[in-house]
Amino acid sequence: DTEVTQTPKHLVMGMTNKKSLKCEQHMGHRAMYWYKQKAKKPPELMFVYSYEKLSINESVPSRFSPECPNSSLLNLHLHALQPEDSALYLCASSLGLDLGEQYFGPGTRLTVT
Amino acid sequence: AQRVTQPEKLLSVFKGAPVELKCNYSYSGSPELFWYVQYSRQRLQLLLRHISRESIKGFTADLNKGETSFHLKKPFAQEEDSAMYYCALRKSGGYNKLIFGAGTRLAVHP
Repeated sequence: DTEVTQTPKHLVMGMTNKKSLKCEQHMGHRAMYWYKQKAKKPPELMFVYSYEKLSINESVPSRFSPECPNSSLLNLHLHALQPEDSALYLCASSLGLDLGEQYFGPGTRLTVT
Repeated sequence: AQRVTQPEKLLSVFKGAPVELKCNYSYSGSPELFWYVQYSRQRLQLLLRHISRESIKGFTADLNKGETSFHLKKPFAQEEDSAMYYCALRKSGGYNKLIFGAGTRLAVHP
């Protein structure tokens, strides 16, 4: 398996909802990433996990809460989001920090109403 | 500050024409440079990295440290090359953080 998968593909949520995005890879990669991509903009790094520990938090608001339950899974828990948080959320993985290219998932298109 | 600049939002060419997508970077250390491509309705994927010095799908890119550039070139564009292209910089010792340029949309017309 040489892919990063993400679920769901699309998500619509209200500002009071709690939802989660899921990312999975079975390539034995030990670094995983969350990116946010607004329309017609490049991806922006949000979080980096290495060996299931949070390595980088790019000053992301606390309404976004990442979780890495094991080496294959990465979640992004969402709560009390704002309409401006609507974007494509991309997950990526790599062999390790500073090691290997990043493989990207197809993304979850999030709309906050 | 680290920065990647892609000056063209859109590059429109005819099939068979040469293509050059420009990328300039600002970084005080020794960067690693990449080109990522995103075809319509497909995921972002790595096209080239400067350390490999390889040609993928006919594309090449040479790191020019004097001009701080990493332009992507192809001598004869094909319609299937139409996509969004992002130049990215990875900081050395920087936790594999990629800094992306704004992207250039390449449109190849028949």
